[in-house]
Amino acid sequence: KAGVTQTPRYLIKTRGQQVTLSCSPISGHRSVSWYQQTPGQGLQFLFEYFSETQRNKGNFPGRFSGRQFSNSRSEMNVSTLELGDSALYLCASSPVEGYYGYTFGSGTRLTVV
Amino acid sequence: AQSVTQLDSHVSVSEGTPVLLRCNYSSSYSPSLFWYVQHPNKGLQLLLKYTSAATLVKGINGFEAEFKKSETSFHLTKPSAHMSDAAEYFCVVMDRFGNEKLTFGTGTRLTIIP
Repeated sequence: KAGVTQTPRYLIKTRGQQVTLSCSPISGHRSVSWYQQTPGQGLQFLFEYFSETQRNKGNFPGRFSGRQFSNSRSEMNVSTLELGDSALYLCASSPVEGYYGYTFGSGTRLTVV
Repeated sequence: AQSVTQLDSHVSVSEGTPVLLRCNYSSSYSPSLFWYVQHPNKGLQLLLKYTSAATLVKGINGFEAEFKKSETSFHLTKPSAHMSDAAEYFCVVMDRFGNEKLTFGTGTRLTIIP
């Protein structure tokens, strides 16, 4: 079956712009999480959605937001981009709860110039 | 609160020799523990998981890990390294009750010497 699909794979944006990243989970998976990966901070949790509700949120500013649709697809949005937002953004999905393991997508590489 | 410490940032082994990647964890509750692998410019792949069943966990590609509660450790091993094992490895912890957040270690880069 298809894995977790993230689009686009690469993005280049200018400071101050906003960006929307998309994630399609594995069919039947209802929990979707987002992570930011940078060389300096490593992998950090952004937020997790289940049945269109945000259940958990990491320590990121309000410029980072997300949502989940009724088909479990998820989007994350970053407004007023800063150079420090350059990172690999990873989406992960799980059937219901994550303690049996999340499946990750290949990520979206965002570069802010 | 949960946390993970990967004791080595870089490990080098010769092809065909054993691999040991060390991980200690801290968790307020009974944790789930995972090892993920990341090849260059790729996403994360789940190698194996501990979810309070058997303490010795077998994963893909010949990897295994042992959960030791008394030592709060979850070290990853493989009897014989292969060139394709060269990658970044992450030890990950998740509290099992109501907190759907994975906490990642800082990663161990595994280099295989031909």
